[in-house]
Amino acid sequence: AQKITQTQPGMFVQEKEAVTLDCTYDTSDQSYGLFWYKQPSSGEMIFLIYQGSYDEQNATEGRYSLNFQKARKSANLVISASQLGDSAMYFCAMREGLASYDKVIFGPGTSLSVIP
Amino acid sequence: NAGVTQTPKFQVLKTGQSMTLQCAQDMNHNSMYWYRQDPGMGLRLIYYSASEGTTDKGEVPNGYNVSRLNKREFSLRLESAAPSQTSVYFCASSEARDLGQPQHFGDGTRLSIL
Repeated sequence: AQKITQTQPGMFVQEKEAVTLDCTYDTSDQSYGLFWYKQPSSGEMIFLIYQGSYDEQNATEGRYSLNFQKARKSANLVISASQLGDSAMYFCAMREGLASYDKVIFGPGTSLSVIP
Repeated sequence: NAGVTQTPKFQVLKTGQSMTLQCAQDMNHNSMYWYRQDPGMGLRLIYYSASEGTTDKGEVPNGYNVSRLNKREFSLRLESAAPSQTSVYFCASSEARDLGQPQHFGDGTRLSIL
């Protein structure tokens, strides 16, 4: 069965430092996609970055990068040069079954606090 | 540009009452989803629909029913509300047939069951 694990319920990082948020997943599909979303205290879900299972390069979007290790089934989010506005919940998500059923599940999330 | 619209935004119910949460998207997406969000548990998938006329159970479907009324609308029904269904409910939509397309979320419905 599909499963997403985020083992860090809460993380603290100093402003301007880099931080890594962990995500491991389990799937039997060969074709799948991995997403990271940010949820600030206001509650909206903000898409950050995407990695496809067949992508050979790690995805990057500005200060966000994804450390994708397919054999280990991990897709860790790296935020460089943390800012106070990065304080939020971060969710890892996996999409599969695109050809037929298109299912997306989420992990439990990591709460990130950026310290001035 | 409305995106995904959920109604109502807030609702208080008594145990045993029924209600329907409405969701509509104006992006012509094929796939639509219902999630519930509880503290420490992330977003858990209740039901999803990959196309008009199809629905599938997600991780926590018990106590819920859904209707994909047309391509735009996907409603979630609680037939007999229970306190355990107190949660924030999110509807989302996405373009199907493109693995890299992210989901677009509504603002959520905060539901309390007394």
